[in-house]
Amino acid sequence: QKEVEQDPGPLSVPEGAIVSLNCTYSNSAFQYFMWYRQYSRKGPELLMYTYSSGNKEDGRFTAQVDKSSKYISLFIRDSQPSDSATYLCAMRYGGSQGNLIFGKGTKLSVKP
Amino acid sequence: DGGITQSPKYLFRKEGQNVTLSCEQNLNHDAMYWYRQDPGQGLRLIYYSQIVNDFQKGDIAEGYSVSREKKESFPLTVTSAQKNPTAFYLCASSEQGGYEKLFFGSGTQLSVL
Repeated sequence: QKEVEQDPGPLSVPEGAIVSLNCTYSNSAFQYFMWYRQYSRKGPELLMYTYSSGNKEDGRFTAQVDKSSKYISLFIRDSQPSDSATYLCAMRYGGSQGNLIFGKGTKLSVKP
Repeated sequence: DGGITQSPKYLFRKEGQNVTLSCEQNLNHDAMYWYRQDPGQGLRLIYYSQIVNDFQKGDIAEGYSVSREKKESFPLTVTSAQKNPTAFYLCASSEQGGYEKLFFGSGTQLSVL
């Protein structure tokens, strides 16, 4: 079993839809959870960052972490064509050192 | 504007040739990283450096080498020992202790002739 599992999609939704993106993980030692957005042939950019469990909201984006189920989600409300990109989840262990473990990414297309 | 500059955007390597990818940052970040991205794959860590003149191997360091002589610069050499070098290479940086919040460059696409 891979450390981080993410459905690659592609996922296609109409403009205005609510999008749900998910990752599961196997190692309960992960404490930091991130979502990066990557446009085609560009570098990823940090979208959301969560420490431990709970929810975090930023505009149309909500990140959820359920450590008991080893499951993280990113919700996008009122999706826009400009949200079309690949979304990568990433995780890290606690402590002063430890590199990010990335999921494979989910490709999202929002149709006008 | 602060950011990370990778060059070139596209690079072609001949058989048996070493090539060097450039990465420069003006964010005053201590830590820098090199990742490799293959189609449909997540990012895999090649090398990282937390401080000048020091660097550590990541998960897939074989066939690659780096140097960190200046805080701003972290070049990656893809050596002839790397038998499958075709990939999208991403350089990133972060503040010391901010390992979750990576800032990425725009990437270099390396292909084999």
